[in-house]
Amino acid sequence: GEDVEQSLFLSVREGDSSVINCTYTDSSSTYLYWYKQEPGAGLQLLTYIFSNMDMKQDQRLTVLLNKKDKHLSLRIADTQTGDSAIYFCAEAKGDDKIIFGKGTRLHILP
Amino acid sequence: DTAVSQTPKYLVTQMGNDKSIKCEQNLGHDTMYWYKQDSKKFLKIMFSYNNKELIINETVPNRFSPKSPDKAHLNLHINSLELGDSAVYFCASSTRGGGEKLFFGSGTQLSVL
Repeated sequence: GEDVEQSLFLSVREGDSSVINCTYTDSSSTYLYWYKQEPGAGLQLLTYIFSNMDMKQDQRLTVLLNKKDKHLSLRIADTQTGDSAIYFCAEAKGDDKIIFGKGTRLHILP
Repeated sequence: DTAVSQTPKYLVTQMGNDKSIKCEQNLGHDTMYWYKQDSKKFLKIMFSYNNKELIINETVPNRFSPKSPDKAHLNLHINSLELGDSAVYFCASSTRGGGEKLFFGSGTQLSVL
């Protein structure tokens, strides 16, 4: 199938690390993405990784890619209240389509 | 300046009406998209245009007709609106050719009564 799977909810205490996981389906996907959606807004590209990389770090964000298991994760270090949003995993399939997961709602506990 | 702008932001209308949503991007991108986000926030691609040419049409009812007068604009016209069309519609654009990064508009919330 075409589904990109991710858990729907995650609660994390402020200051802790958040880890959002995703599995994708197409082993030929060249790029994998993480998008963030805040309430009432469109999606914003947070970060992306090329399929020949295992890891990418960008300030508080770390992306890990396990191509064998088709598993992608996003780690947010020192989670802040402003990180509260929906995080979408997405894969670029060979036919120019970008397919999104159902989104993980990140809730920050005080 | 807004990179991808769509209007209107909110659209409330009766069943059976015809409505349009406009989208413009000033990023110089070749490819534009329409996505539909339902009440559970699930996002599905509807259409994709590259340089005014339709390249993706994801089994959307033919009541939905996209129109791209030039590569900076992609409008969405919906005929005979149904209750199930209520959703947030997002326009997006990207460069084409490896590593497409989508830039989204802020969405049009359509409510069909």
